[in-house]
Amino acid sequence: QSALTQPRSVSGSPGQSVTISCTGTSSDVGGYNYVSWYQQHPGKAPKLMIYDVSKRPSGVPDRFSGSKSGNTASLTISGLQAEDEADYYCCSYAGSYVVFGGGTKLTVL
Amino acid sequence: QVQLQESGPGLVKPSETLSLTCTVSGGSISSYYWSWIRQPPGKGLEWIGYIYYSGSTNYNPSLKSRVTISVDTSKNQFSLKLSSVTAADTAVYYCGSMAAAGIVDYWGQGTLVTVSS
Repeated sequence: QSALTQPRSVSGSPGQSVTISCTGTSSDVGGYNYVSWYQQHPGKAPKLMIYDVSKRPSGVPDRFSGSKSGNTASLTISGLQAEDEADYYCCSYAGSYVVFGGGTKLTVL
Repeated sequence: QVQLQESGPGLVKPSETLSLTCTVSGGSISSYYWSWIRQPPGKGLEWIGYIYYSGSTNYNPSLKSRVTISVDTSKNQFSLKLSSVTAADTAVYYCGSMAAAGIVDYWGQGTLVTVSS
C-alpha cells in the first residue's frame, strides 16, 4: 500500500493558523472516519493529537482541530506557538491495516 | 497510565532475524490492540502490524511475509520478529497500545535497531 500524501513542510508565525493536508484514496482516508494525527518532536516518540478525524484526546489544546473531505483529511493548528514546531503525521485505517502519511515539518517562524 | 518499554538487541546482522519485546505496565495486556511501528533514521513512520490479546494479527502487506507478532499474556508482553533483515530495516522501533483503528494512544520510547555486519 502507498503512504498517504502530506506536504513536506509548512510554516507560520506565532499566533497564525496553519493547515496540513493528508491525501489518500477511497480505500483509506475516504473510506473510513478513522483518521488520526500525531505530533513528533526530535528524538521523541509520537504523540496522538487527533483521532476519528476530529476528536481530541484529553489534554490536547483545542487549538488543534481535524476535518475531512472526500479522500483528504486536514489538521489545523490555530494560534501557533513556538512549541508547536514539530513533525506531524497523519494516519488512516485501510480496512485491515494502517497507513501513515510521509510527515510534514511545521516551522514556527 | 499504561507504560510500554521496548527491549532487544540494538545490532542485527544482515539475513538474520530481528527480535524485540515490549513490556506493558500500568495496565493489562488482555485488552486493547498492541502495535509495532518503525521509523528509519531521518524518515517517516511505518506501521508494521498489530495483535489483539486473543492472538489475532494484522500486518503491513509490504512486510507480511517477514513479520510475526505474538503476545504473552502471562508476562504482559508482546513481541516482534522480522526475518531476513537488510540495511533497509535499520530503524527506531516503537511499540504502542492501539485503542482502535490507527489510534496509538500510548507509545514506548523507541529502540534503535541497526542492521550491519
